[in-house]
Parts: sequence; structure tokens; C-alpha cells
Amino acid sequence: EVQLVESGGGLVQPGRSLKLSCAASGFTFSDYYMAWVRQAPTKGLEWVASISYDGGSTYYRDSVKGRFTISRDNAKSSLYLQMDSLRSEDTATYYCTTDALFAYWGQGTLVTVSS
Amino acid sequence: DVVMTQTPPSLSVAIGQSVSISCKSSQSLVYSDGKTYLHWLLQSPGQSPKLLIYQVSNLGSGVPDRFSGTGSQKDFTLKISRVEAEDLGVYYCVQATHFRTFGGGTKLELK
Repeated sequence: EVQLVESGGGLVQPGRSLKLSCAASGFTFSDYYMAWVRQAPTKGLEWVASISYDGGSTYYRDSVKGRFTISRDNAKSSLYLQMDSLRSEDTATYYCTTDALFAYWGQGTLVTVSS
Repeated sequence: DVVMTQTPPSLSVAIGQSVSISCKSSQSLVYSDGKTYLHWLLQSPGQSPKLLIYQVSNLGSGVPDRFSGTGSQKDFTLKISRVEAEDLGVYYCVQATHFRTFGGGTKLELK
């Protein structure tokens, strides 16, 4: 059974940092591009970042470029999102998903940026 | 940037009714490999999104054939025949041809 389990969310002050993790199982992690997608409270889905099979290529939406860093560890079947200089508008549930087809999704982890 | 416009924003339906949702792109979604990376997702209340249809018209794993997708270039449609209670939620189209962009969503509710 495919599983994606996110962790690392929580309440953080504006300007501070947070690192999200996603543990994958049930499929060959290194065969997939991976992505983070977020959903602000009561809002729609928004793509955040994607990463290639070996981590050699990364892609970001403009609003997070220079602040967020996506990475992966294929030996651990894990995906990460380092979020720096957080802003109130980054408040959302962050989902880990297989990129391009969005076939598999985690349950999400809530990040709240507030003083 | 590619803009994905979904209509209508909400739909009120009776069980057994058929409905269609439109998704229009600001650019052609045909990739250089000839494929069209337009997919449909359903987010049921309190749940994570689930893939329904990929590459315009291919059913996702375990998705009933009451769901169907059509379209090409910039204009796409999701049709649900004989709506069931489990179909309620928010439907999203998403393009993965030019990076990734989600549509605004269509909320399907019971009449």
C-alpha cells in the first residue's frame, strides 16, 4: 500500500523557519518526481515546489523562490521542504504528492504562521 | 503563467443526476511529447485530494466509469454520470504541461 506521511508542521512566528518531512513507502520513491502542494484555510490547491528523481532539478512557484528549499533523500524514501522567512500568507496545510500525475497524496501537515 | 479557469464554482445536484465541469486553460496544454498533461482531482470533505482522471481521459486506479474526461488544447470537461453521495466534494483540474497550475475548484453539493 502506498503511503505518504507528512510531519513537521506547527505554529511559527513570521520570519522564522520550519522544515517539513514526508516519509514514503509502498512504491519505488526514486522513480518519481515529487512535489509539495499547499492549501490555505478554506481555499483551493496551490503548487509550491517540485523535485526531480535524483534531486538534481528543483522548481518553485515565484512567491516562495529564495525562501523555500525542496530536497529529497532517496535512501530514506523521504522528501523535505525547508521553509525560511515565513510569512502569514504561507499559512496552509502542506501536502506531499507524486509530481506530474498527482497520483498519491499524504494526509497533509498544517503550518500556521502567526505572532 | 498558465491560468486555469474552472466553471461553475459550485453545483447543486440530486443523486442520480449527471453533471459537467469545465476547465479552460490560458495556453495549449499539449506538451512537446504530444501528450496533454491535464488531470482531474476530487477532494472529499476533510480528505486529501484523490486523482480521478489523468491526461484528459484516463481513469485513475479504482475510479468508477461514471467519471469521464474529454477535451483538447485549452478546453476540457469532466462529466459525472449518475452522481452518487460519495461524489460530493471539490473537483480540481490541474495542468502539468507548463510547470503546474490548479484550477480554482468546483464544489459539488447535494440539492
